[in-house]
Amino acid sequence: QKEVEQNSGPLSVPEGAIASLNCTYSDRGSQSFFWYRQYSGKSPELIMSIYSNGDKEDGRFTAQLNKASQYVSLLIRDSQPSDSATYLCADFFGNEKLTFGTGTRLTIIP
Amino acid sequence: DAGITQSPRHKVTETGTPVTLRCHQTENHRYMYWYRQDPGHGLRLIHYSYGVKDTDKGEVSDGYSVSRSKTEDFLLTLESATSSQTSVYFCAISKGGGTEAFFGQGTRLTVV
Repeated sequence: QKEVEQNSGPLSVPEGAIASLNCTYSDRGSQSFFWYRQYSGKSPELIMSIYSNGDKEDGRFTAQLNKASQYVSLLIRDSQPSDSATYLCADFFGNEKLTFGTGTRLTIIP
Repeated sequence: DAGITQSPRHKVTETGTPVTLRCHQTENHRYMYWYRQDPGHGLRLIHYSYGVKDTDKGEVSDGYSVSRSKTEDFLLTLESATSSQTSVYFCAISKGGGTEAFFGQGTRLTVV
């Protein structure tokens, strides 16, 4: 079983709507969680980090962490065509190994 | 962009030849990671380093070795390249365990 699981999608969302991306993790001891965005042919780019239960907002992005249920999610409000990319969820397994899910491909439809 | 440089950016090599990829950082970060990315598998950890001369294996370490003789450089070596090692390789750095990590531009390796 992979330590970090994501729905691989693809996920299609109309422009201006909310895109919701979800991720579950297996290590109850994980303390750090990250969302990366990766455009085709490019390297992953960090967009959100979250360390505590609850919500963390940064512009149009909101990360949500629920340690009891072992899931982390990313909401993108007012989705734009430029948000079309693959989104990768990651956690620090054992606090040393940065482990990724397989990614969710998001397409924003104009 | 964080100061991370991978070299070479592209390489084509023959089966059975040794190959070394280099990751160089100017951030003085303690942790460095090597990943490979393949369709359907996402990013998979090959090896990582938590200090000079301190390294450990990731989930797909077979056929790869690493070295870190100084803080700024982390080398990934394929001792005898195979076609299954054709992939895009990414280096990442982080200040400490559990902290934000930043990626290099990637190296596209093709083994023919």
